Amino acid sequence: EAAVTQSPRSKVAVTGGKVTLSCHQTNNHDYMYWYRQDTGHGLRLIHYSYVADSTEKGDIPDGYKASRPSQENFSLILELASLSQTAVYFCASNARSGNTLYFGEGSRLIVV
Amino acid sequence: QQKVQQSPESLIVPEGGMASLNCTSSDRNVDYFWWYRQHSGKSPKMLMSIFSNGEKEEGRFTVHLNKASLHTSLHIRDSQPSDSALYLCAASWQGGRALIFGTGTTVSVSP
Repeated sequence: EAAVTQSPRSKVAVTGGKVTLSCHQTNNHDYMYWYRQDTGHGLRLIHYSYVADSTEKGDIPDGYKASRPSQENFSLILELASLSQTAVYFCASNARSGNTLYFGEGSRLIVV
Repeated sequence: QQKVQQSPESLIVPEGGMASLNCTSSDRNVDYFWWYRQHSGKSPKMLMSIFSNGEKEEGRFTVHLNKASLHTSLHIRDSQPSDSALYLCAASWQGGRALIFGTGTTVSVSP
């Protein structure tokens, strides 16, 4: 079974603070993704990457940055956290675009 | 922007009954449709995928695809309480970069 691990699993952050969500995969997959889940909105794509040292914007990139320092690691950075960024964040990976996605267990972020 | 629409938003099914979920793509160049299942508090897991017109069956789950109408449906027969979950439809496009998900259908199976 493909393995994607996220950290932290849960975090409370203050408005205006910096938050980094980390993702590590041992699947040897080229593609990695960050999705956001809010009640009633399914999964929305924030950023993705298909090669180390390169990231691409998804559908809702505003307020988020991404970093892919190696094939295995993909981080999501909130430089100035806002209340509207309270959500569950999922990292996922696959071998190439269009293949089965393997998700991490999610990171629950609450911004107060 | 490519979109995926699902209906209904929620569904209550008696145990042993049939659940039918719908999904439509906004873009004619859709390549694959995917169905993911997400139990409460867990991450989504791929259930089934389909790329050619017709029907695909795996156990109690059947997926239909009509590419002309950009529509796919998921049917769960003999529904069990363990089938209670959020079902997410996703689509990928030719030359596309990532799966785009719909907002999901919440299925509740009542004993």
